[in-house]
Amino acid sequence: GAGVSQSPRYKVAKRGQDVALRCDPISGHVSLFWYQQALGQGPEFLTYFQNEAQLDKSGLPSDRFFAERPEGSVSTLKIQRTQQEDSAVYLCASSLVGSVAGEGADTQYFGPGTRLTVL
Amino acid sequence: AQSVTQLDSHVSVSEGTPVLLRCNYSSSYSPSLFWYVQHPNKGLQLLLKYTSAATLVKGINGFEAEFKKSETSFHLTKPSAHMSDAAEYFCVVSGFGSNYQLIWGAGTKLIIKP
Repeated sequence: GAGVSQSPRYKVAKRGQDVALRCDPISGHVSLFWYQQALGQGPEFLTYFQNEAQLDKSGLPSDRFFAERPEGSVSTLKIQRTQQEDSAVYLCASSLVGSVAGEGADTQYFGPGTRLTVL
Repeated sequence: AQSVTQLDSHVSVSEGTPVLLRCNYSSSYSPSLFWYVQHPNKGLQLLLKYTSAATLVKGINGFEAEFKKSETSFHLTKPSAHMSDAAEYFCVVSGFGSNYQLIWGAGTKLIIKP
C-alpha cells in the first residue's frame, strides 16, 4: 500500500474487555514496530518484529499485552482485560530493515494510530 | 544509554519569522538523530534524519537541523514560519550499529501566530 494503515482509528472499551488493534505495514517492509503514546508525551517502544519473528518485546507493559505477525506482514496488538491506564494512542511503524550498517536505525514510517479509550 | 531532551514544551512564533526548536541528546556513541512532526489527528511524519554524513541536514518543508557533537545538540530551524507548520515536533535518537530502537523526546508544540 501507499503507507502504513491501522484499524480501527478509534476504540472505546469497557474496563476488562479484550481489544485487538491491527496494523498493515508498507508492502515489502521487513521490520514492524508498535509504540504507545500517552497524552502529551512522545511514543514509547512496545515491541519489534523482523518478518514474523518477534525479536524484542521488552517494552510491553504487562502480560496482558500480546503482539503477533504470523505471516510477516499484517500485525495485531492484543490487550486483554483492558485497564484505564491502557488508554493511549497505539502507533504502528514499519521500515525496510531494522537498522542500517554504519547508520543506526532505518527510517520508520508511521501509521495514523489507534486511539484507545478504556472506560 | 541514550536519552533526548527537548528544551521547550511550547514555542510560539509569528508567521513569517524564524523557528528554532531545541534538542539535546545524550549518547555513549555516535547516534542517528531524527526529527518527526505530528499534526493533529495525523500520523508521525519524518522531517529529516542525521546519520554520519553532513552535519547540516536539510529536510522537507524548508526545515533543517545541525548536528553539533561538541554541544550534543540537534536543533531544528526554519527561516520563515508558515501557518501550516503548527504541530507537535519530536526529536528522536537511536543507537549506532544494530540498535533499531528509537528514543523519543517529550515533544515541542509549535504555535504560529497570524
